[in-house]
Amino acid sequence: DTAVSQTPKYLVTQMGNDKSIKCEQNLGHDTMYWYKQDSKKFLKIMFSYNNKELIINETVPNRFSPKSPDKAHLNLHINSLELGDSAVYFCASSQVKGLAGGPTDTQYFGPGTRLTVL
Amino acid sequence: AQSVTQLGSHVSVSEGALVLLRCNYSSSVPPYLFWYVQYPNQGLQLLLKYTSAATLVKGINGFEAEFKKSETSFHLTKPSAHMSDAAEYFCAVSGPGFSGGYNKLIFGAGTRLAVHP
Repeated sequence: DTAVSQTPKYLVTQMGNDKSIKCEQNLGHDTMYWYKQDSKKFLKIMFSYNNKELIINETVPNRFSPKSPDKAHLNLHINSLELGDSAVYFCASSQVKGLAGGPTDTQYFGPGTRLTVL
Repeated sequence: AQSVTQLGSHVSVSEGALVLLRCNYSSSVPPYLFWYVQYPNQGLQLLLKYTSAATLVKGINGFEAEFKKSETSFHLTKPSAHMSDAAEYFCAVSGPGFSGGYNKLIFGAGTRLAVHP
């Protein structure tokens, strides 16, 4: 059983298109994340949701819109794709311990989605 | 600025040699610290983590790391490298000394480990 899964694994598309990446976790966690890994392997968080509520929203173009239909799913929709959006996007999940905003347990990462914008 | 720094973007060792990957953080408050490994074309896997318990942390695959507050370091070591250890290694931090607190992992730039026969 895959703990954190993402679809698709590879996505090749033209500039200007709109695309979505889906993420699902079967760990029962209440917090999910999207990270972007650029061509130099640098990883940076984009968004985080806790129980379907947005709790972290980094400085990301508003062409990127996360959606969490339930706490097991966090999808990423990207409008008007640009060349600079080419990257590997990782979904992750974790369980917050104790009070809201308290320490989170280990973040478990999905296999990644390699997005190539032509 | 609050950050995490990995010294050496590439490290090359011989099979059987000691592996030492360096990680330093800058924060006035001791953070939680993590080492993740990324094998080619795969996601990230947790090797070990420090969350204010024992300062010497043992992880999977024979790796361990020691939290040294005085040096603000969390270096990753393995006594004897295997060919299968070749991968990208990321140090990450979270906690009250960093924006996003415990909810956000801030990653170092990564260190690529090469192991040669």
